[in-house]
This record gives sequence, C-alpha cells and structure tokens, in this order.
Amino acid sequence: ETGVTQTPRHLVMGMTNKKSLKCEQHLGHNAMYWYKQSAKKPLELMFVYSLEERVENNSVPSRFSPECPNSSHLFLHLHTLQPEDSALYLCASRKGGGDEKLFFGSGTQLSVL
Amino acid sequence: KQEVTQIPAALSVPEGENLVLNCSFTDSAIYNLQWFRQDPGKGLTSLLLIQSSQREQTSGRLNASLDKSSGRSTLYIAASQPGDSATYLCAVDPNDYKLSFGAGTTVTVRA
Repeated sequence: ETGVTQTPRHLVMGMTNKKSLKCEQHLGHNAMYWYKQSAKKPLELMFVYSLEERVENNSVPSRFSPECPNSSHLFLHLHTLQPEDSALYLCASRKGGGDEKLFFGSGTQLSVL
Repeated sequence: KQEVTQIPAALSVPEGENLVLNCSFTDSAIYNLQWFRQDPGKGLTSLLLIQSSQREQTSGRLNASLDKSSGRSTLYIAASQPGDSATYLCAVDPNDYKLSFGAGTTVTVRA
C-alpha cells in the first residue's frame, strides 16, 4: 500500500451520468495530482494541486472538474463524458520541498458507455 | 516540450537473465528522473529516484543510471524473476510539478 487511496476501483457510467472519483492521502503531502492513463499511451497530467491551490489545468475538457477541499482529499467530478474518456484515472501525491518521490493510488478504471 | 521515449515497448526474457530497460528524453534540463513499476490494472509504484546531480541509484537487484547530457537513463534488473513481470515506466521532472512519462516497457520473465 502506498498510502494513497482511490475510490471507486471500477466505474461504469452512461454519457449523461454525473459521478465523482475520490482520492485521499494521510501522508502529509502537499501536492496532489490527477493523471489519465489510456491503453498504450503515456500518462497524461490532468490537474495538479499544491497546498490546495490548483497549479496546473492542462487544457482538460470542462466535463472534468477537480476539487481539493483540503490537503488530504482530492475529487474529480465527471459529467456528460464521452466513450473516449474511458481510461484508468490515477491519483498521486508527493511531499514537495525537496522530497519529490511520487506516490500513486491504485486507480479508478472508468468505462463510459 | 519534453518527450520521453522508452524502447523496446515489450521484452520477454527467461528467468535469471539480466534486464536492461532504456529511457530517453529530449530536454536535459531536468530536476530528477524516476522509475516506476506498474502491474496490470494497478497504480504505479516508485522504484528509484535519481536527482539530476547523481549518476546512479541502487536498490537491491535494481540499478538505475542517469546521463543527463545525453538525455538517457537505464534501469538494470539483475537475475530476473517471474515476479519482475510488469510494465516499467520512467518519468522526468523539470521541477514545475509537470512530470513527463514514457509509455513504458512491458516485461515478461518466463519461468
């Protein structure tokens, strides 16, 4: 276990549904990330939060909406997704301040029908 | 824009053979480089992190080298075991939160 927990592990949703992915860490880390992993492609950075402020929005479609209510929790709100959004969504965190090792959760496998 | 390439995309070796995995990157202005392991359908586990000022890092059977000037890193796994079967990814960190990942090398170690 890495100390980064993601729920749910699997999610199937229709294109008109609204759902949320959750990530939490109690490692005292200051930065949290959302990555998208599609088959045979490199990980794509979606969002980065440092000390609860969004540092990077990598031109992700507005149907993905992140929320970071505190330094331990991160959400990814999903609405009106497309089938091409089906992928493994990974949350990661790191301490920062010179300790740059990245810790990943197990991911949410999302299927959009 | 940083481009990270891992060749080969897949590798199959008999148990006991040493593994050599390659990672190349286009922009040498990096802060550090990390190697990760990913099992099917799972998240990534950090194996080794090499700071830009370092040449190599070792952990057990794993050794990673870094040649920043030529934009290359190599992960060596000695005496491979079936349990080493996984996908190995490298990522470069320019120290602005935006790590760039390679697509990975999928390793199969045959018993």
